[in-house]
Amino acid sequence: QVQLVQSGAEVKKPGSSVKVSCKASGGTFSSYAISWVRQAPGQGLEWMGGIIPIFGTANYAQKFQGRVTITADESTSTAYMELSSLRSEDTAVYYCANRYCSSTSCYTNAFDIWGQGTMVTVSS
Amino acid sequence: QSALTQPASVSGSPGQSITISCTGTSSDVGGYNYVSWYQQHPGKAPKLMIYDVSKRPSGVSNRFSGSKSGNTASLTISGLQAEDEADYYCCSYAGSSTLVFGGGTKLTVL
Repeated sequence: QVQLVQSGAEVKKPGSSVKVSCKASGGTFSSYAISWVRQAPGQGLEWMGGIIPIFGTANYAQKFQGRVTITADESTSTAYMELSSLRSEDTAVYYCANRYCSSTSCYTNAFDIWGQGTMVTVSS
Repeated sequence: QSALTQPASVSGSPGQSITISCTGTSSDVGGYNYVSWYQQHPGKAPKLMIYDVSKRPSGVSNRFSGSKSGNTASLTISGLQAEDEADYYCCSYAGSSTLVFGGGTKLTVL
């Protein structure tokens, strides 16, 4: 069974950067399609961007362009999300999620495997 | 990429049916048949309930169904049960390999 395990909670100063990891087990990492979704306290889900490791190229939501970098390391089956120029509004739980695959096909625009979430707190 | 529009809250009694709407534009919901729906209980990660507008992943109850008309997608839950009480989010493909979520809807089972 595919599992995604994320790195632990972080506390960061405004203006700094944070890098969250998402280690996959089970399945073939190169066939994954990982997205990063965040959720501020009491707020909704927000798609930040995604990557297909076998292709290596990431796509980002316009809101985060220039401030987020998503990468994947096939050798360790780990995806990363780095967010820079942090501000208090970036305080949120950050999730990685993998696309849904049925017995016959995979669907890049739907996610059925989620990491446990990583709380990032931005505070001076 | 503006968030898709969902009602903030809906409610229903056990056994009833409810429908949650998700309104976007021709650049997202209306332009592609790639709408998914997620259920999220407090403190938990989201769970995929519907993908590609109306398809159910294996293991999801057939009480959950999805549809789309124009720029509006809908999630219908029939035979409401107490455990259906949760937040629900729609998500749509928005072109150029990007996705956009709705603002979320809190479902209360009375």
